[in-house]
Amino acid sequence: KAGVTQTPRYLIKTRGQQVTLSCSPISGHRSVSWYQQTPGQGLQFLFEYFSETQRNKGNFPGRFSGRQFSNSRSEMNVSTLELGDSALYLCASRDEGQTLNEKLFFGSGTQLSVL
Amino acid sequence: LAKTTQPISMDSYEGQEVNITCSHNNIATNDYITWYQQFPSQGPRFIIQGYKTKVTNEVASLFIPADRKSSTLSLPRVSLSDTAVYYCLVGAPENTDKLIFGTGTRLQVFP
Repeated sequence: KAGVTQTPRYLIKTRGQQVTLSCSPISGHRSVSWYQQTPGQGLQFLFEYFSETQRNKGNFPGRFSGRQFSNSRSEMNVSTLELGDSALYLCASRDEGQTLNEKLFFGSGTQLSVL
Repeated sequence: LAKTTQPISMDSYEGQEVNITCSHNNIATNDYITWYQQFPSQGPRFIIQGYKTKVTNEVASLFIPADRKSSTLSLPRVSLSDTAVYYCLVGAPENTDKLIFGTGTRLQVFP
């Protein structure tokens, strides 16, 4: 099976712009989670989608949003970018069927730089 | 939320066994303990998961005492490629928003 695929790999934007990141989960995985990773704050949970519905949400402002499509692919959008949004954005998928070993499979991330 | 505490960094030499301990004093009954490995500019990679006692797979062992208030990840005979950040997570796997990665332990392996 192919792993979790995130596009683009690198992105440079300027303050005030918006950005959309894409994530394709492992085939058969219906849960997709998004994380923000910065040197200062570490890995922080953004939100999780399951079957096109947001199931869990982290403590981020409304500028951060996401959605999931019927094929489980997910997009994350950040509007009105701020310098502090510069980070590695990671997507992870999970197989809901494995109750005893529900590990997260991460993509390589999208490195976003806001200038 | 089950908060975890790990050493910020550790150094080792190739061929040695490395043990990284994680404290999680307020672990809940239905919480599992999971360890991830992360290389620079990559997403974390699952290493091992356990609930109690000892779990072993092809890359590591996980030791969990009876009170489950701590756990130890054991990496046998490390190599240079094991240089990475290791995260200990505690939580019920389905509660994704409750899985806190923390700062992790930066392991540096020297030749």
